[in-house]
Amino acid sequence: SQELEQSPQSLIVQEGKNLTINCTSSKTLYGLYWYKQKYGEGLIFLMMLQKGGEEKSHEKITAKLDEKKQQSSLHITASQPSHAGIYLCGADKIAGGTSYGKLTFGQGTILTVHP
Amino acid sequence: KAGVTQTPRYLIKTRGQQVTLSCSPISGHRSVSWYQQTPGQGLQFLFEYFSETQRNKGNFPGRFSGRQFSNSRSEMNVSTLELGDSALYLCASSFTGVESTDTQYFGPGTRLTVL
Repeated sequence: SQELEQSPQSLIVQEGKNLTINCTSSKTLYGLYWYKQKYGEGLIFLMMLQKGGEEKSHEKITAKLDEKKQQSSLHITASQPSHAGIYLCGADKIAGGTSYGKLTFGQGTILTVHP
Repeated sequence: KAGVTQTPRYLIKTRGQQVTLSCSPISGHRSVSWYQQTPGQGLQFLFEYFSETQRNKGNFPGRFSGRQFSNSRSEMNVSTLELGDSALYLCASSFTGVESTDTQYFGPGTRLTVL
């Protein structure tokens, strides 16, 4: 089973609609990252969350980490075709321990935005 | 500031051959991590190097190896290629690779196809 579960696996929306992608762990997350990937390309860093209840926004994208630090959500407001791609959540330390340079990723959410 | 660069971008090899991929981190970054991305397994951590030392390793066979040079550039090598090694190989760099304090920035990837 995946340490990080993303939902939904894919999402098709009409331009202008809002959407939410979720990332869930059964263990405590100590550093939660959101990345965006265009198919076959590298990952683009979006945001990083550390503290329970933390919320960050950049342009029309807002990411939150719940108080228990086991679930994060990524919300896009008024989606545009430029938002299309694969969204990945990654965690650098799940339930303690040391893990130099290692991110554990969810399976990704494929977002399609129709004009 | 230049981003993470990877060469080559595309490679086609046959089974049994070996391959070397190169990664140049962002200037000032000393930690380099490598990942393998496939449709079936998603993004999986291979290993991480810092100051020419491997500090962390994922669950991959010994055919996968790497090294880091004094200028922080890194290479990974795959020997005796198998069909299942076909994947997008991504490297990421950060200042220290220490969890929850440092963001990894990814390169564009090397697409390896094994025939």
